[in-house]
Amino acid sequence: NAGVTQTPKFRVLKTGQSMTLLCAQDMNHEYMYWYRQDPGMGLRLIHYSVGEGTTAKGEVPDGYNVSRLKKQNFLLGLESAAPSQTSVYFCASRTEARVGEQFFGPGTRLTVL
Amino acid sequence: AQSVTQLGSHVSVSEGALVLLRCNYSSSVPPYLFWYVQYPNQGLQLLLKYTTGATLVKGINGFEAEFKKSETSFHLTKPSAHMSDAAEYFCAVSSNRDDKIIFGKGTRLHILP
Repeated sequence: NAGVTQTPKFRVLKTGQSMTLLCAQDMNHEYMYWYRQDPGMGLRLIHYSVGEGTTAKGEVPDGYNVSRLKKQNFLLGLESAAPSQTSVYFCASRTEARVGEQFFGPGTRLTVL
Repeated sequence: AQSVTQLGSHVSVSEGALVLLRCNYSSSVPPYLFWYVQYPNQGLQLLLKYTTGATLVKGINGFEAEFKKSETSFHLTKPSAHMSDAAEYFCAVSSNRDDKIIFGKGTRLHILP
């Protein structure tokens, strides 16, 4: 099992460009999450999904959109990137039965110039 | 509403010494409590969890934590630090009603030779 994978690992964007981050999990988990990690801020939840076809806003959703068309994939989109979106992005998933027990991907380091 | 406070953004201990990382929580419902560890350039991984039952919980790599309701604390300890324990540690809170988990801002543990 690959667990949770994220594509790409690194990316540099210019202000105003768009991009999509892909998260995939092979554990048949119902719940999936997108976080951003910034120094001194811990992890902040951007969006999450409790099942295929569903999405919900987290703590810091502005400037991001998500889609969960397939159970195993959770996409995070930046329509018009801003320097404030420079961060490390983590995807996580969990099974419905195990509250709080999330499996994390390796992260995507995004720089917006 | 739930929240987590981790005391000390950086903690240094000598190799072989006791590790103590402090976490206090706030929750209006019975909490589920977690410690996650993040090694450099990796995603987070679950170290241990408390849901119900025994208040002293043991995790991987010799770590343990004790849930103290009267003190609203869930401190992480390890009797003897090893160089490989150098990482960032996150305390987190959720509940059986929650789809999400709230992370603390993290404590970076440094091990001195």
